[in-house]
Amino acid sequence: DSGVTQTPKHLITATGQRVTLRCSPRSGDLSVYWYQQSLDQGLQFLIHYYNGEERAKGNILERFSAQQFPDLHSELNLSSLELGDSALYFCASSASSGGWVNEQFFGPGTRLTVL
Amino acid sequence: DAKTTQPTSMDCAEGRAANLPCNHSTISGNEYVYWYRQIHSQGPQYIIHGLKNNETNEMASLIITEDRKSSTLILPHATLRDTAVYYCTPSGNTPLVFGKGTRLSVIA
Repeated sequence: DSGVTQTPKHLITATGQRVTLRCSPRSGDLSVYWYQQSLDQGLQFLIHYYNGEERAKGNILERFSAQQFPDLHSELNLSSLELGDSALYFCASSASSGGWVNEQFFGPGTRLTVL
Repeated sequence: DAKTTQPTSMDCAEGRAANLPCNHSTISGNEYVYWYRQIHSQGPQYIIHGLKNNETNEMASLIITEDRKSSTLILPHATLRDTAVYYCTPSGNTPLVFGKGTRLSVIA
């Protein structure tokens, strides 16, 4: 158990819909990272937040957005869903630092299926 | 970002050492070598990282060649629970880039 929690574990929805994935980092960690893992693209970095502020963006679509709240939990919002958005979405957290930390602790993931 | 080359798959007998190689010939001077593993769709798990010296922790040992162009992750006594995909990823202060990794199967 990494100490990172994600909800829900599974999500099934239809094309065109909007969903919200939630992540709670390990106690004390201020950094949250979001990743997408699909069969054809592998594991890809989406976005990084540190203490409520966006710090880095990866291959995140404009239809996707994220935020980190004062209690440090984070949400990833996916809108206008397409079949290709079906994937595992992982959240990770790392020890407190304003910069990038690559020793990251991953949550169990949310499996999104778009029908 | 440095490109990596890892074997697609490897087998290892239970109780034996598993040696997983990674080629990262384009690694930059400020990039560390990170190793993660992913057990069947679970979240990736950090294993170890190093810059140029060999490193050891409770999970594994990391051997980095003197020219830093390749490294080997060693699981000293592999168990069935070590069956996973192992990713080698050089990185400085930049996002981790996960390739296809090596699928390690530990066989009883």
